[in-house]
Formats: sequence, structure tokens, C-alpha cells
Amino acid sequence: AQTVTQSQPEMSVQEAETVTLSCTYDTSENNYYLFWYKQPPSRQMILVIRQEAYKQQNATENRFSVNFQKAAKSFSLKISDSQLGDTAMYFCAFMKLKAAGNKLTFGGGTRVLVKP
Amino acid sequence: EPEVTQTPSHQVTQMGQEVILRCVPISNHLYFYWYRQILGQKVEFLVSFYNNEISEKSEIFDDQFSVERPDGSNFTLKIRSTKLEDSAMYFCASSRTSGSFDTQYFGPGTRLTVL
Repeated sequence: AQTVTQSQPEMSVQEAETVTLSCTYDTSENNYYLFWYKQPPSRQMILVIRQEAYKQQNATENRFSVNFQKAAKSFSLKISDSQLGDTAMYFCAFMKLKAAGNKLTFGGGTRVLVKP
Repeated sequence: EPEVTQTPSHQVTQMGQEVILRCVPISNHLYFYWYRQILGQKVEFLVSFYNNEISEKSEIFDDQFSVERPDGSNFTLKIRSTKLEDSAMYFCASSRTSGSFDTQYFGPGTRLTVL
């Protein structure tokens, strides 16, 4: 079974600064996907960024980028130029490929507080 | 932009009662999921559904739970006899494929409170 670990329960960052969230995972699979989801106080889960394991290039999405280290099974998220609206819980998630219905396995989450 | 919707946003029920949580997935999506999140804990997979049948379920998804796609648009989660520990946020998600570009889009959730 896959496990996802987020070792930082909470992080704070000043507005406009950069924060990096860590995520490690354990799997014997070779083909899989990794995701970061954001959960603001409204509690809706919003996709931030995703990474295909077969791609060496790190994914970027505007101010969000990842550092994917497949050998180390590490998948960190960097939020640049932090904004107040980035305040939320961030969940790292793993998905292996299946014929139908790929479940997401989530980490425990990191709470990010952006301070003005 | 199309989105997943869920009703109700908050459901309060008495222990032992049946509840049905409703979801309308994105219209051209083929795969449907339920997850739950007990307050302060991680999001946990419950069940996935494709082609009118369950494709995978977790150990949480016991005989008290069932899912159904009663028509072309709704996807429901039924809890037959609720327990206190069923109190959680329940998220529905859908995806277009299960292949290379599969991304699951989540609904806003239903908060279930069992008294």
C-alpha cells in the first residue's frame, strides 16, 4: 500500500515571500502521479499542481512549482510571492495507474498561514 | 467552468438514521469517487465507481455504505444506519478518464453531523 507523509503540520510565511512544503511517499510502483491540493477555510479541495512520475521536468503552475525527486520519493511544493489567498491546508496526494478508478492517497496536510 | 456540485452542504441526523448524500459530477466525466475527511484528519478514499459498478472500495466502505448512479447525472452515497463516527466531511469527485491525464475534480463537500 502507498503512504504519503507531510512532516510539517504548519508553516507561516510573510506575504510576497516563498515557502516550501515537503512531501514524501512510499510506493513500489513505477508509474504514478502526484498532486498538491489546496483546501481553504471553505474546505473545498482545489487542485494546485500535478506531476507525472515519468516526466523528469518539474511541473510549474504560475507561482506554484514542485521539486520532484523520484529516487528519493520526494515531492515538495514551492509557493513563490505568497499571497493572503494562499492561506489554506495543502495536501500532497499520490495516485497509481489503474485500468479504472484511480484512488488518491493523501498525506496529513500542512497548514499554511500567509501573514500580511 | 464546469464543476462538481454536492447537496446538501450540511446534514444533521440522528444515530441509526439513513442518509443520502448527493453529487452531480461534471457532465462528460466517467469516473466517480467518494472521499471523507474527519475533522482535523486526512482525506480518506471510500469508493470509486465506473460503468455502473464499484471499481474499488476501501475498508471503511462496509455494508452500511452504498453508492448509486440513479440517472445520467446524479451520484449518491447512502449510509444505511449512521454512527457517531460517520460524522465527517464527505467529498464527491469525478474524472474524465483514468489514464494519463486523469485529474479528479472535487465538489465542495457535505458536512455530515451524526448526533
